[in-house]
Amino acid sequence: DAGVTQSPTHLIKTRGQQVTLRCSPKSGHDTVSWYQQALGQGPQFIFQYYEEEERQRGNFPDRFSGHQFPNYSSELNVNALLLGDSALYLCASSLAVDNLRGYTFGSGTRLTVV
Amino acid sequence: DQQVKQNSPSLSVQEGRISILNCDYTNSMFDYFLWYKKYPAEGPTFLISISSIKDKNEDGRFTVFLNKSAKHLSLHIVPSQPGDSAVYFCAASGRGSQGNLIFGKGTKLSVKP
Repeated sequence: DAGVTQSPTHLIKTRGQQVTLRCSPKSGHDTVSWYQQALGQGPQFIFQYYEEEERQRGNFPDRFSGHQFPNYSSELNVNALLLGDSALYLCASSLAVDNLRGYTFGSGTRLTVV
Repeated sequence: DQQVKQNSPSLSVQEGRISILNCDYTNSMFDYFLWYKKYPAEGPTFLISISSIKDKNEDGRFTVFLNKSAKHLSLHIVPSQPGDSAVYFCAASGRGSQGNLIFGKGTKLSVKP
């Protein structure tokens, strides 16, 4: 049974560009949350998707947007990349919005902005 | 302003001894707390959790203690094993966190044989 799958694993982008990160949730999960983990910091909540809608959002600018597809997979888009966007981006899936104990994290996408 | 604080960036413990990882929080609206373990190049893995209605939860070698009046929780690992070497994150949730997790910065635990 595959867990949470994220792609790509590593990515290098230039400042000002746009990036799309992808996440396939664990089988049976319907909720996807995205977190940003900067170097030396803990993961920080970006937003959560359930039933193809953004349900909750953290303190991130509108440059960060997402989407959830009917098969529950999700994308995170970041526009106008800044150097400060360099981080590990983690996707977590769960069954139901408030099932925090049931969160399963992927291994993340390491984004480097140069 | 950090709502969840792990003030020790690192901890080194001898195999077989007890590891105690600490976490403090500032938001009294938090009502659920979790500990995650993270190995390099992997995502965080759920370890143990505790609800604010309890003061202790135990699962094998792992015990979490919650002191609500002090807004403090700790994770005890007994006995510590070399495979426990990882970064441990404390996380909290509840009203005031939009129902999602607020993480501390993590503590890197090294268990020496």
